[in-house]
Amino acid sequence: QKEVEQNSGPLSVPEGAIASLNCTYSDRGSQSFFWYRQYSGKSPELIMFIYSNGDKEDGRFTAQLNKASQYVSLLIRDSQPSDSATYLCAVNRDDKIIFGKGTRLHILP
Amino acid sequence: EPEVTQTPSHQVTQMGQEVILRCVPISNHLYFYWYRQILGQKVEFLVSFYNNEISEKSEIFDDQFSVERPDGSNFTLKIRSTKLEDSAMYFCASSVGVFGVNTEAFFGQGTRLTVV
Repeated sequence: QKEVEQNSGPLSVPEGAIASLNCTYSDRGSQSFFWYRQYSGKSPELIMFIYSNGDKEDGRFTAQLNKASQYVSLLIRDSQPSDSATYLCAVNRDDKIIFGKGTRLHILP
Repeated sequence: EPEVTQTPSHQVTQMGQEVILRCVPISNHLYFYWYRQILGQKVEFLVSFYNNEISEKSEIFDDQFSVERPDGSNFTLKIRSTKLEDSAMYFCASSVGVFGVNTEAFFGQGTRLTVV
């Protein structure tokens, strides 16, 4: 079983709509969960992190965590063409984080 | 805004040659990491470094790899005898506390290593 699983996509969303990205993880001991955005050929850029069950909002982004279901999601409201990128889910294991393979998001103008 | 800087941005080397990738972490950070990303694949953990020693390493980080903090600012990754499969983007990261334990890490822009 992969540690962090994401649908590779591409996920196509019309501009202005809500993009919903999902991630599951296998280690029940994980405590910290991260969403990174990565443009092609660039480094991962942190969007949000979440530690507690429930929702966490930051501007157009909302992270949702359900530890019982081992599920993390990221909602992007009012999607913009600049949001087109690969979104990486990451979870902590020991003193490092493990990344998923990422979901490619394409915002349709 | 403080940032992690990596040099060079692109390195081309012949198979069997040694390469050193350099990183300058954020100045007050204590934990340092190397990750790599083979084209089209996920970002993979290589090694973490704290208090001048390796704290954890992955299966990828074999005897061909080494890390060093030669002075107060640089953090280097050395690959002794490069192989074609070492071609990847290498990312350095640093954090104030242990990465992932209520602490985020900041990534450098990466070094693209091409082994020919």
